[in-house]
Amino acid sequence: EAQVTQNPRYLITVTGKKLTVTCSQNMNHEYMSWYRQDPGLGLRQIYYSMNVEVTDKGDVPEGYKVSRKEKRNFPLILESPSPNQTSLYFCASSRPLNEKLFFGSGTQLSVL
Amino acid sequence: RKEVEQDPGPFNVPEGATVAFNCTYSNSASQSFFWYRQDCRKEPKLLMSVYSSGNEDGRFTAQLNRASQYISLLIRDSKLSDSATYLCVVNLLKGGGNKLTFGTGTQLKVEL
Repeated sequence: EAQVTQNPRYLITVTGKKLTVTCSQNMNHEYMSWYRQDPGLGLRQIYYSMNVEVTDKGDVPEGYKVSRKEKRNFPLILESPSPNQTSLYFCASSRPLNEKLFFGSGTQLSVL
Repeated sequence: RKEVEQDPGPFNVPEGATVAFNCTYSNSASQSFFWYRQDCRKEPKLLMSVYSSGNEDGRFTAQLNRASQYISLLIRDSKLSDSATYLCVVNLLKGGGNKLTFGTGTQLKVEL
């Protein structure tokens, strides 16, 4: 089954404790992206990647890191989480950018 | 001015009603347009792409007006199951690359 797999689904952590949210897709997509969704602000892009070893900042990259060492994986890293990073996070992938964007099921992160 | 703007709603309509949403975008060089549906706290899913000539998929009709820089979504014969948030997505040219930007969404509630 074609899918984007995100883990974990829920995560509660404390300020400053490094964490990684994993994202994997099995569709051989070149493009992958991370979004955060907050009430009243909609989906905002954090980072995206056009292909392996090619990553770029989105609208809200501060406090986040990503890597794209393999085509299928695009982890999101919070080196030192802060409470303002409490949010619902989505990973997504697609083939050429104009085509359908496939989303993971989301990660609800709470930073205390 | 936001790059992509939507009326947040909620639009409360009776079952069977026809409802229309608009979405405006600021960059006249935008290349492609989509409507996504999102159920509460779940991942967005592509509802339909929006073509210059307009397109229809069952009860759903999407239109693009490049001159006025807006897209629309019309839902006929609303069902209870249409209750969701509808996200307008625009592919904007930014910094020489393509970039998908999401509106904050319009909430629809279909009632008996």
